[in-house]
Amino acid sequence: DAGVIQSPRHEVTEMGQEVTLRCKPISGHDYLFWYRQTMMRGLELLIYFNNNVPIDDSGMPEDRFSAKMPNASFSTLKIQPSEPRDSAVYFCASSLGGSEADTQYFGPGTRLTVL
Amino acid sequence: GNSVTQMEGPVTLSEEAFLTINCTYTATGYPSLFWYVQYPGEGLQLLLKATKADDKGSNKGFEATYRKETTSFHLEKGSVQVSDSAVYFCALKTNTGFQKLVFGTGTRLLVSP
Repeated sequence: DAGVIQSPRHEVTEMGQEVTLRCKPISGHDYLFWYRQTMMRGLELLIYFNNNVPIDDSGMPEDRFSAKMPNASFSTLKIQPSEPRDSAVYFCASSLGGSEADTQYFGPGTRLTVL
Repeated sequence: GNSVTQMEGPVTLSEEAFLTINCTYTATGYPSLFWYVQYPGEGLQLLLKATKADDKGSNKGFEATYRKETTSFHLEKGSVQVSDSAVYFCALKTNTGFQKLVFGTGTRLLVSP
């Protein structure tokens, strides 16, 4: 299995631009998670999906952030408009359901820099 | 609320030294506890876990025991290697039906030859 795939690996953009981050979870996994990691705030859960349905988006910072999961093999995290304080590494993770739901498999992350 | 507290880093050790990274938690009920590791430039990966009191998780020479009486889950390794240099995250998941992991702030380990 290729693991969780994220693209792009690095993104540099200017303030005000739209940014779209992409994630392909491990095939067969029921849960998908989006995290943000910064030096100041550590690792934060933004949102997670179960069977393509958003379950908890309480970690989404504000209306500029949105996430979708149109099917079981693809999810996007969009920031519009982007701001310098959005600069961070964004991780996608997926997990099975049931008794195996405890183990989350993380992708390599997307390093976002907003100038 | 639910939270995890880890010791501040970085922890700097020489190869073959004994490692302890402290982790304590606050949670309602009986959470599952985890250690994840993040190597440079990579995502997190599960190192070990324990799902009930007195369970010991172990993997790659690392161990941690779920201590309900002290609400702790300290990570230990008897002899560290340079390749163990990474950031270690303690985390918990409550048994409320939600799949959220609550992570600590991470502890960076640096092992020198």
